[in-house]
Formats: sequence, structure tokens, C-alpha cells
Amino acid sequence: KAGVTQTPRYLIKTRGQQVTLSCSPISGHRSVSWYQQTPGQGLQFLFEYFSETQRNKGNFPGRFSGRQFSNSRSEMNVSTLELGDSALYLCASSLDSQGGSGNTIYFGEGSWLTVV
Amino acid sequence: AQRVTQPEKLLSVFKGAPVELKCNYSYSGSPELFWYVQYSRQRLQLLLRHISRESIKGFTADLNKGETSFHLKKPFAQEEDSAMYYCALSGPSGTYKYIFGTGTRLKVLA
Repeated sequence: KAGVTQTPRYLIKTRGQQVTLSCSPISGHRSVSWYQQTPGQGLQFLFEYFSETQRNKGNFPGRFSGRQFSNSRSEMNVSTLELGDSALYLCASSLDSQGGSGNTIYFGEGSWLTVV
Repeated sequence: AQRVTQPEKLLSVFKGAPVELKCNYSYSGSPELFWYVQYSRQRLQLLLRHISRESIKGFTADLNKGETSFHLKKPFAQEEDSAMYYCALSGPSGTYKYIFGTGTRLKVLA
């Protein structure tokens, strides 16, 4: 079974631009969540989607947004990029057969975003 | 507030020595605790979860609700254990998120 796939793997953007990152979950997984990983802050929760609905959002500004499609694939968008947005963005998926709590999440390799 | 604390950023041990990676948490309720590991150039992957009460690659972790800890232990470290280790807590039911510690880098020296 293929793992969580994220594209692109690496990208460089200029301040003020926007970026869209894509995530394909493990087949059969309906929950997709996004995390930002930086050396200083570790993994920070961005948001989680299930059946095209955002169920929770972390403490990030409105420039960070996401969506999920009917096939469970997800995208996240960051608008008006700032230097501090440089990070590894991780997508994770889970089966979520029991409604959320305690489900194991499986990570993709991440998308490395550098803002210059 | 829910929080996971990993007090050590870096832990260096010699091969064959015991290892203990510390994890403390703050949580109101019955937590689900996990350890994730990230080897060099690999994705973050689940190492073990407390409800499974299993040993993976020689690692074990016991949930101590009294001390609110979930320390990761291995009696004899191997060089291939060198990696970044993250303790994580599954958020309260209905929040659909994980809370991660800042991670501990384990270096096993030959």
C-alpha cells in the first residue's frame, strides 16, 4: 500500500508570493492533517480535514488555509509568504474509524518550503 | 492546556549503554501517548503507542499517570538507534490533532 505522498518535495518562493502544497493520503484514509515543522518550534498542528470538512485548526494566521477533496486528497495554501514561513510542511493521514482520538497517523516525507 | 515536554534536545550515549528519553505531558483526561522516530532522510514514523504495550526495536515506554510521564527506554543502545525522537499526545476526543514535543536527538556513539 502506498504511503502518504506530498508534492512538491522542495520549493523556493519569494516573500509576498503564495504557495499550494498537495497531499495524497494512504488509500482508505479519510482524515488528513497538516503540521509545520521548524527547528525552533518542532511540529505545530495546522489543521485537520475529514470528508471535506475542516474539523480543527491550529493557532496559525488566516494566511494558512487548506481544503480536502472528495477523494480525500488535500491541499494547503499559504498566501503572502513571510520569511518565517520557511519550514517543512508535513501531511499525515489516518483511518479515523473511531472518530478521531487515538488513531495512529502516518506521515508523508514533507514539502520543504524556503521563502527568500 | 495540553502540552508535551521533552527536556533534552540532545542525548548522547555509547553503544551498549541504556537509553532513556524523557517525556512529560500535561493533559486533563485519559491520554493516548505515542513515540515517533525520524531517522536521517526518512519520514517521521510511529515507533510505539502506549495502548499497545509492545516493544519495538527493543524500545519500551510505560505510561505513568501519577508522574504524567511516558519515558522511552532501551536497555542496550545500538548505533542504528541514532535518530530524532518525538513524544506525542493524541488530543482530546473531538479535536482531531496530535500535540508533539520538541523532540530529542539521540546519538549513539561507537
